[in-house]
Amino acid sequence: GAVVSQHPSRVICKSGTSVKIECRSLDFQATTMFWYRQFPKQSLMLMATSNEGSKATYEQGVEKDKFLINHASLTLSTLTVTSAHPEDSSFYICSARDNGNTGELFFGEGSRLTVL
Amino acid sequence: SQQGEEDPQALSIQEGENATMNCSYKTSINNLQWYRQNSGRGLVHLILIRSNEREKHSGRLRVTLDTSKKSSSLLITASRAADTASYFCATDTGGGNKLTFGTGTQLKVEL
Repeated sequence: GAVVSQHPSRVICKSGTSVKIECRSLDFQATTMFWYRQFPKQSLMLMATSNEGSKATYEQGVEKDKFLINHASLTLSTLTVTSAHPEDSSFYICSARDNGNTGELFFGEGSRLTVL
Repeated sequence: SQQGEEDPQALSIQEGENATMNCSYKTSINNLQWYRQNSGRGLVHLILIRSNEREKHSGRLRVTLDTSKKSSSLLITASRAADTASYFCATDTGGGNKLTFGTGTQLKVEL
């Protein structure tokens, strides 16, 4: 079945540094990918819609300069958390929509960010 | 605010029993989907029900949708310990799989 890979799965960084998380669709092309954030024991909150070759669409309240999204190819979207602070610590999950006829959505395994 | 509210927030049952989780939402939808998430992992798609469907089955899963009440339920029959996970409903309001997730139900199935 279709696979979406996220890397890294876990990352620990110091306050003030930037962290990049990759989301790759391994066996399908995805013009559209979505980035979610999840706090412990809570639901997923959509952060932004990543569109290949164009700017991401951010949800209300999400700082686009804080969470940089680049969707440079049909199989890769990246989320960069800039100048990370402890409150940015969270579980970040991406999903990718298969460009094929089903348009099915597949989720990555998530990336746990801890900012010290 | 959350599009979907789920209840119960937590459910603990014995293996072999049935588990029912409910989801309510606020706006019109194209489809409603149920996902499973093991602790610290990604989401696994379980089942999708379209707005013009009322019931759908997949293995031990049964999903109902009542658009007049803006609610859905997920029934897992003959539960197993391996079913222990969090279950989320998610609504697609505009097509294109831009999903809004519910608050989730944490299911624990004990031996």
